[in-house]
Amino acid sequence: GQQVMQIPQYQHVQEGEDFTTYCNSSTTLSNIQWYKQRPGGHPVFLIQLVKSGEVKKQKRLTFQFGEAKKNSSLHITATQTTDVGTYFCAVPNAGNNRKLIWGLGTSLAVNP
Amino acid sequence: DTGVSQNPRHKITKRGQNVTFRCDPISEHNRLYWYRQTLGQGPEFLTYFQNEAQLEKSRLLSDRFSAERPKGSFSTLEIQRTEQGDSAMYLCASRLDLGAGELFFGEGSRLTVL
Repeated sequence: GQQVMQIPQYQHVQEGEDFTTYCNSSTTLSNIQWYKQRPGGHPVFLIQLVKSGEVKKQKRLTFQFGEAKKNSSLHITATQTTDVGTYFCAVPNAGNNRKLIWGLGTSLAVNP
Repeated sequence: DTGVSQNPRHKITKRGQNVTFRCDPISEHNRLYWYRQTLGQGPEFLTYFQNEAQLEKSRLLSDRFSAERPKGSFSTLEIQRTEQGDSAMYLCASRLDLGAGELFFGEGSRLTVL
């Protein structure tokens, strides 16, 4: 069946270092969404990517959608303690694009 | 608009008891989703509604789980004869039928079954 893999599962960085999480799909995607969940919180939408090779930036966050639309990445430049949390990618279910399949997430810890 | 609201935020119950969670979505959102999340996992799809119609229910859900959205506004998720394996965070999310597809989540209802 359809699978979404996220790596790494955990990442520990010093404040100021960069961070990247990757999301890989077994199928070609129509779009991909990224969410952030703070510890004890709920997922919050960050962005949706739709176009092949698309790159979008939000301040220190850079999101990229692969040319083949099967992978995506989220890169954070110069991490801050406020970046702590779990970053999830979510993709439309191949059989029913009105529901999402979620990756397991990448948990980011930032040492001050 | 106050966003998606869920209650209760926490529920502790004994095995075998029934529990019910309520979700009030953003008022103009016609799609409503229920997810379950356990520690270290992503949200797991349970069911979703378009207006009052329940369009899909996960095959992972047993018959002990039922959800309703009687007037196309708020929704309830009931778990009958709870088991310890039901302990999790139950998340509700809503979205517009059109547009970017962004899901707006509530803060969740955490269930602990003793």
